[in-house]
Amino acid sequence: EIVLTQSPGTLSLSPGGRATLSCRASQSVNNNYLAWFQQKPGQAPRLVIYEASRRATAISDRFSGSGSGTDFTLTINRLEPEDFAVYYCQQFGNSPWTFGPGTKVEIE
Amino acid sequence: QVHLVQSGAEMKRPGSSVRVSCKVSGGTFTNYGFNWVRQAPGHGLEWVGGIGPVLDATQIAQTFQGRVAIIAEESTSTVYLELSRLRYDDTAVYYCAGCLQYDYPRLQYWGQGTLLSVSS
Repeated sequence: EIVLTQSPGTLSLSPGGRATLSCRASQSVNNNYLAWFQQKPGQAPRLVIYEASRRATAISDRFSGSGSGTDFTLTINRLEPEDFAVYYCQQFGNSPWTFGPGTKVEIE
Repeated sequence: QVHLVQSGAEMKRPGSSVRVSCKVSGGTFTNYGFNWVRQAPGHGLEWVGGIGPVLDATQIAQTFQGRVAIIAEESTSTVYLELSRLRYDDTAVYYCAGCLQYDYPRLQYWGQGTLLSVSS
């Protein structure tokens, strides 16, 4: 089973700033099948990025994903109030699909 | 765009079973695959299992082997998660998530979640 580690655990930033979130896998993720999800309190997760760098439908171009193999990054530019949430990475290249523990992006 | 609507909250005793439904609308049911993900209170996300890319192929996480069944019912465009021998730590919100077959197992479209509480 691939274990995903996310850092930092919490990121305190101001609106307008840039968030850089890291996701590291315990072994290489097949085909870079790595996704990022945004979750707000009381809501279902929302797909943001899939296959490491492809933005999901209706996701702002302020969100970008990068990386390959075992190291992946989600970058959020010009943070808007609605971006403050918990972000999870997930790999679906190797069964069982696994999630990271999440990074909370909070308002400083 | 496909829309997933899940059944309501459940309260169950330890050792019993539960069935959670996920009704699909807005797309051709057989063109989609589905997964179930759960989230215990205050915790992260955990993959339970899926059915896809065709609706007779299931994958179940090892943690749940022998306790979970995932069923797709074409006549009602509904996917079911059946969890048996419930334990206290099965208390969680259970989400269904779907995608087109060729995108499987991407977690593209999500239901609103179903809270399962296991308590004596």
